[in-house]
Amino acid sequence: AQSVSQHNHHVILSEAASLELGCNYSYGGTVNLFWYVQYPGQHLQLLLKYFSGDPLVKGIKGFEAEFIKSKFSFNLRKPSVQWSDTAEYFCAVSGGSTLGRLYFGRGTQLTVWP
Amino acid sequence: DTGVSQDPRHKITKRGQNVTFRCDPISEHNRLYWYRQTLGQGPEFLTYFQNEAQLEKSRLLSDRFSAERPKGSFSTLEIQRTEQGDSAMYLCASSPETGISQVFFGSGTQLSVL
Repeated sequence: AQSVSQHNHHVILSEAASLELGCNYSYGGTVNLFWYVQYPGQHLQLLLKYFSGDPLVKGIKGFEAEFIKSKFSFNLRKPSVQWSDTAEYFCAVSGGSTLGRLYFGRGTQLTVWP
Repeated sequence: DTGVSQDPRHKITKRGQNVTFRCDPISEHNRLYWYRQTLGQGPEFLTYFQNEAQLEKSRLLSDRFSAERPKGSFSTLEIQRTEQGDSAMYLCASSPETGISQVFFGSGTQLSVL
């Protein structure tokens, strides 16, 4: 069965600290991987995605993620967080041709103190 | 706003009542998805349409749930005989069929069943 695990449910950091959020997935086949962000009161927005090619992908707002196939992981990183990064972050996976059929992790709430 | 639009934003109902939600996708998108998100969890897939055809339904979509997209544009999700366990955020998303690079989410309808 397809599943996505996000190990950190709540992360609290000070501004300028580095961030890494873990994501592991279980999926039988070729995967497409995503990180979405949900700011308070707003809709889910795509941060970055991996379909194929370079396993290190860069997204918006200075975020990046690395796909490690052997570890079934797609961790999200940012070298220096800002207060405005406070949000909930969701890792998601899809496969096949129905890219909108997403399996989400339960999310990680990031709180950044100024 | 040319994004995915959902109406209403909030719905409070009594147990046993029927409720209907509406989703207007991005106009050129022919794929439309419904997800449900409960507190502390990531979104869970319910169903999706390609044009007016409902192509996949999750086991989460019990017989009390029905979704339609009669003209391949907007969609409705109806819940009959609501139960307290139906309380959740119902999210709609859309994407084009080809050349897809991401799915766009609406802000959701928050349902509270008393």
